[in-house]
Amino acid sequence: QITLKESGPTLVKPAQTLTLTCTFSGFSLTTNGVGVGWIRQPPGKALEWLALIYWDDDKRYSPSLKSRLTITKDTSKNQVVLTMTSMDPVDTATYYCAHSGRLSLTSYFDYWGQGTLVTVSS
Amino acid sequence: DIQMTQSPSSLSASVGDRVTITCRASQSISRSLNWYQQKSGKAPKLLIYAASSLQSGVPSRFSGTGSGTDFTLTISSLQPEDFAIYYCQQTYSTPQTFGQGTKVEIK
Repeated sequence: QITLKESGPTLVKPAQTLTLTCTFSGFSLTTNGVGVGWIRQPPGKALEWLALIYWDDDKRYSPSLKSRLTITKDTSKNQVVLTMTSMDPVDTATYYCAHSGRLSLTSYFDYWGQGTLVTVSS
Repeated sequence: DIQMTQSPSSLSASVGDRVTITCRASQSISRSLNWYQQKSGKAPKLLIYAASSLQSGVPSRFSGTGSGTDFTLTISSLQPEDFAIYYCQQTYSTPQTFGQGTKVEIK
């Protein structure tokens, strides 16, 4: 059974750095083809893809946020960490992590965490 | 970035209706297209992957078609539990963009 859970601060001040941790179970991030991604959703708005890290440490970022994002993994702890610098009120959103499965040349998020709401406010 | 445009943005339908949602990509994405369902306050749930493959456990009333730039999600007979927001997502290239969502409401 695959599960993922996000953890981190619920409130950050503008200009601060956000650090979110995704702790997962039921799969290994050393398995060929597996990835973990981060997606966010501002209140009442659509999903936005942020970043993805693969089993081989390949990292992909949203170009519009790339300068602010860092994604890392700790396979011994079954964790993936996302850091986002220079937080702004527009970054207020629910942040999700998700397991990325793969079929041939395509992929999909088949398991999601419950999400964590991060509010940026002074 | 590949832009994903869904239509309509919202629709009203009755239980038992056939519902079709479309998703258009700004360039060809082959069949690298997924569909998700999101209910209020919950994480998205994968319905369809690779354009037409039904995720395990998802009712067969959900189906997906398409390739290249044009895709559709069809609910053959809308059930009360299907009222939600539906998103498409392309995984052909980074960033793996989502559509803006289609809200399916009760008529």
